[in-house]
Amino acid sequence: DADVTQTPRNRITKTGKRIMLECSQTKGHDRMYWYRQDPGLGLRLIYYSFDVKDINKGEISDGYSVSRQAQAKFSLSLESAIPNQTALYFCATSDSKGLSTQYFGPGTRLLVL
Amino acid sequence: GQSLEQPSEVTAVEGAIVQINCTYQTSGFYGLSWYQQHDGGAPTFLSYNALDGLEETGRFSSFLSRSDSYGYLLLQELQMKDSASYFCAVPGGGNKLTFGTGTQLKVEL
Repeated sequence: DADVTQTPRNRITKTGKRIMLECSQTKGHDRMYWYRQDPGLGLRLIYYSFDVKDINKGEISDGYSVSRQAQAKFSLSLESAIPNQTALYFCATSDSKGLSTQYFGPGTRLLVL
Repeated sequence: GQSLEQPSEVTAVEGAIVQINCTYQTSGFYGLSWYQQHDGGAPTFLSYNALDGLEETGRFSSFLSRSDSYGYLLLQELQMKDSASYFCAVPGGGNKLTFGTGTQLKVEL
């Protein structure tokens, strides 16, 4: 079984719709992250959470919100999707000791029409 | 802020050695990481250099020079399966990672 899972894997939605991407992990890590990847731009951090009661904005948080429902679950929401949010979204986890090692989920490919 | 620069694309032949460079500018430096991402897949951790010098892990090695704000990933005995994108990244406070824009490696026969 995969350690970091994301649902859905693919999603097509329309402009203005609310959408939630979910991430679950079985690694027992405290820290969870959401990234988006666009061609030629690498991965950019949207939000991150150090534990259930800690949520922090990343470099591109506008238009997104998150919820850390439990240590193992971290959800990303687009309250009103727009076409330039079309991207590949990755969830990642790390423990408090591994300064550089993050474990990524398989990604969610989102298309906003 | 933090920024990293990598070549966008590198091509090499099977069995050869290839070097992927990364230069960075950071406020506060904790080390340089490398990740591999196959097309359509998730990034996976390859290596981390906290100190100057060369770290070797099988066919892959990573080098860091903190005084030059420079590092590279060295891949030896290239195989077709090494065709992928390679990202350098610098960790910041709280294990946040800032990624470079990635280098697409194409391995040819």
